[in-house]
Amino acid sequence: DAKTTQPPSMDCAEGRAANLPCNHSTISGNEYVYWYRQIHSQGPQYIIHGLKNNETNEMASLIITEDRKSSTLILPHATLRDTAVYYCIVRVLNTGFQKLVFGTGTRLLVSP
Amino acid sequence: ETGVTQTPRHLVMGMTNKKSLKCEQHLGHNAMYWYKQSAKKPLELMFVYNFKEQTENNSVPSRFSPECPNSSHLFLHLHTLQPEDSALYLCASTRDPGDTDTQYFGPGTRLTVL
Repeated sequence: DAKTTQPPSMDCAEGRAANLPCNHSTISGNEYVYWYRQIHSQGPQYIIHGLKNNETNEMASLIITEDRKSSTLILPHATLRDTAVYYCIVRVLNTGFQKLVFGTGTRLLVSP
Repeated sequence: ETGVTQTPRHLVMGMTNKKSLKCEQHLGHNAMYWYKQSAKKPLELMFVYNFKEQTENNSVPSRFSPECPNSSHLFLHLHTLQPEDSALYLCASTRDPGDTDTQYFGPGTRLTVL
């Protein structure tokens, strides 16, 4: 699976949009981009995933560049409860099982 | 609440103790996973079970012994652990091992080995 690079930490004011970048320059054509987050001392929580089109759900939006070498997770109106470590993961879907390789992620701090 | 529960939430044990971690999923999933998260380290996959059969052992020491009696329950039996085994142990499940949508995680068991 391709490697991802994320900034170690980011700050965001409550109510503003949080834009979390991820570089995956070695991504291959059949690899999806997944985002999970982990609130302190809890298990990771799935947020969203995509292949090449932009995706949106009730939690967030995922913007993938046309060359697919980077993506941005957008939390449109960050709240204090969005403070967490956010993980960007790329993986191939046709493997025998869903092995997620977590990196060190981006620690997002949402402040009042 | 993800539908995956883990007990106990916290556990302190000595190096000579034997204890077990329990995971239960109420989602009707067929694949279950054990992960380890040490302080300041990424999550590490330990074991994968698919339809009660172990399909992945990620070079985990034998002092960790998993058991999957049915698709809803997963145990991690611990014996003669070392202090460096102190970590957050997370259980997860998916509908199928190749499920594309999401891996549901439990809240974890915080293990401290003295």
